[in-house]
Amino acid sequence: KQEVTQIPAALSVPEGENLVLNCSFTDSAIYNLQWFRQDPGKGLTSLLLIQSSQREQTSGRLNASLDKSSGRSTLYIAASQPGDSATYLCAVKGRETSGSRLTFGEGTQLTVNP
Amino acid sequence: EPEVTQTPSHQVTQMGQEVILRCVPISNHLYFYWYRQILGQKVEFLVSFYNNEISEKSEIFDDQFSVERPDGSNFTLKIRSTKLEDSAMYFCASTLRTRSADGYTFGSGTRLTVV
Repeated sequence: KQEVTQIPAALSVPEGENLVLNCSFTDSAIYNLQWFRQDPGKGLTSLLLIQSSQREQTSGRLNASLDKSSGRSTLYIAASQPGDSATYLCAVKGRETSGSRLTFGEGTQLTVNP
Repeated sequence: EPEVTQTPSHQVTQMGQEVILRCVPISNHLYFYWYRQILGQKVEFLVSFYNNEISEKSEIFDDQFSVERPDGSNFTLKIRSTKLEDSAMYFCASTLRTRSADGYTFGSGTRLTVV
């Protein structure tokens, strides 16, 4: 059974800092890994989708890397801003079931202080 | 950009009542999902649906839950007799293909409060 873990659970940084969020998963048989942003009480906004054959994806100040063999992904946020404050979720799409469910981590709650 | 639309955004219901949560997936997508997130907990898979039938369900999705695609656009989750522990945010999602590298698109969620 796929398990996804995110470290740290919470992170507080001053504005302008570069930061790294970590995600690990136990079963490397995946189609892809998605990073989502969730604002309090809101829905899931997809940030980056990285395929199992890819090593990284970039969008603006965000860069996600994937090391499938070791079961790890990182989300790098450059020059953080207060508007980046949210919970960041990592989810893997597994090959182990017919429906290819997403398995989510617990999330990292990020606070960027002005 | 195409969106998954969910209604209502917030629903309050009394314990024991039936509720129907509604979703309009992206029009050309073929696979539909429901997930839920109890406050402070992980997002959990409930069910996947393709070609008018359930393709996979989790252990959470017991007999009190059902899903339906009543027409060509809507996808619904029915909870037959709500319990206090059904209080959660329910997310609908869709994808074009399932056993592929396609990403998921999620709706903004329905917050269900059972009192």
